[in-house]
Amino acid sequence: AQKVTQAQTEISVVEKEDVTLDCVYETRDTTYYLFWYKQPPSGELVFLIRRNSFDEQNEISGRYSWNFQKSTSSFNFTITASQVVDSAVYFCALYGGGADGLTFGKGTHLIIQP
Amino acid sequence: SAVISQKPSRDICQRGTSLTIQCQVDSQVTMMFWYRQQPGQSLTLIATANQGSEATYESGFVIDKFPISRPNLTFSTLTVSNMSPEDSSIYLCSVVYAGSYEQYFGPGTRLTVT
Repeated sequence: AQKVTQAQTEISVVEKEDVTLDCVYETRDTTYYLFWYKQPPSGELVFLIRRNSFDEQNEISGRYSWNFQKSTSSFNFTITASQVVDSAVYFCALYGGGADGLTFGKGTHLIIQP
Repeated sequence: SAVISQKPSRDICQRGTSLTIQCQVDSQVTMMFWYRQQPGQSLTLIATANQGSEATYESGFVIDKFPISRPNLTFSTLTVSNMSPEDSSIYLCSVVYAGSYEQYFGPGTRLTVT
């Protein structure tokens, strides 16, 4: 069975600080896909990134960066120079492909204080 | 990215009644899924909507309670039957396009059962 653990329930930082959201996963699949989604207070789920299990390159997109380490089954998400608009719940999710849906972590509520 | 619409966006329903939620996508997709997000919780997969055949349900969800249809490659419905206050949640559809592994989500339907 697949499992995604986001151990940080809530993180609060002051604007402009860097913050890292942790994600640890478990799967028996040899090929799988990892995702991060953002859910602002309005409720919609915004796709941020997908990472394939066979691609361990880290990725940077503006202030966002992701660190995928297969050896530790982790896919962590860092926001650099955080802004108030980054305040949201962030979900890490795992997809085995095909007819399987996503397995979500419990989410991390990120609060950026001005 | 996908253009996914859901109707209704929100509803308040009486206990014992049923509500049908529609999910429409802008182009053909391979996979369609339905998720539930209970208040303050993460997302849980209800079922995979299969085109032209019965949906595949996750453990804890049954067809009598959550009948699903998918008559074509761009449209699906989820019915929440014989509702109780415990069914108050956000219901979201998600899609996967051919050749892709990204799952995009609709805006969700906020259901309150009184």
